[in-house]
Amino acid sequence: DIQMTQSPSSLSASVGDRVTITCRASQSISTYLNWYQQKPGKAPKLLIYIASSLQSGVPSRFSGSGSGTDFTLTISSLQPEDFATYYCQQNYHARSFGQGTRLEIK
Amino acid sequence: EVQLVESGGGLVQPGGSLRLSCAASGFTFSTYWMTWVRQAPGKGLEWVANINQDGSETYYLDSVKGRFILSRDNAKNSLFLQMNGLRAEDTAVYYCARGTGSFDIWGQGTMVTVSS
Repeated sequence: DIQMTQSPSSLSASVGDRVTITCRASQSISTYLNWYQQKPGKAPKLLIYIASSLQSGVPSRFSGSGSGTDFTLTISSLQPEDFATYYCQQNYHARSFGQGTRLEIK
Repeated sequence: EVQLVESGGGLVQPGGSLRLSCAASGFTFSTYWMTWVRQAPGKGLEWVANINQDGSETYYLDSVKGRFILSRDNAKNSLFLQMNGLRAEDTAVYYCARGTGSFDIWGQGTMVTVSS
């Protein structure tokens, strides 16, 4: 099984900050990596697919990069609506998610 | 509007059964793989199972193999998850989602609680 490990597990930041979340796979997954945002009590929302492709309707302040085992999600300038939990997910072999990164207001 | 609506969750005793449904609208259901993802209270997301367009291929999380059965009715734009032999660790919100690699449309989820 492919294990996905996100860091940090939680993060405090301010509106306007640039934030980076990291996701590491236990083996190479090429670019079969997706990112989701989840707000409390709501379903997840797809942000980024195939490591760096922005899902339709997602603001351009969100970007993704990486390949192989190391990936990043960057939010260039945090907005109030971005405070949420973020998950990475691989679809190279079976499907698995990272444990999540909770982004909180400082 | 593209939409997925789950139903069928509830409280069930250990060893019991439950059938979840997911009604799709606003897109051509028969052309998409579909997936179930669950989330235990306060925990992260866990992929459960997926099914191809005509229902001929299904894949399951190891811990649910032999207990859960995924099916679909394309004529009714519906997805089903038959859950048997339920365990406490199956307690979660169950989401249906469109796709197999990435999941671009999600339902609101239905809560399944396994407890005596």
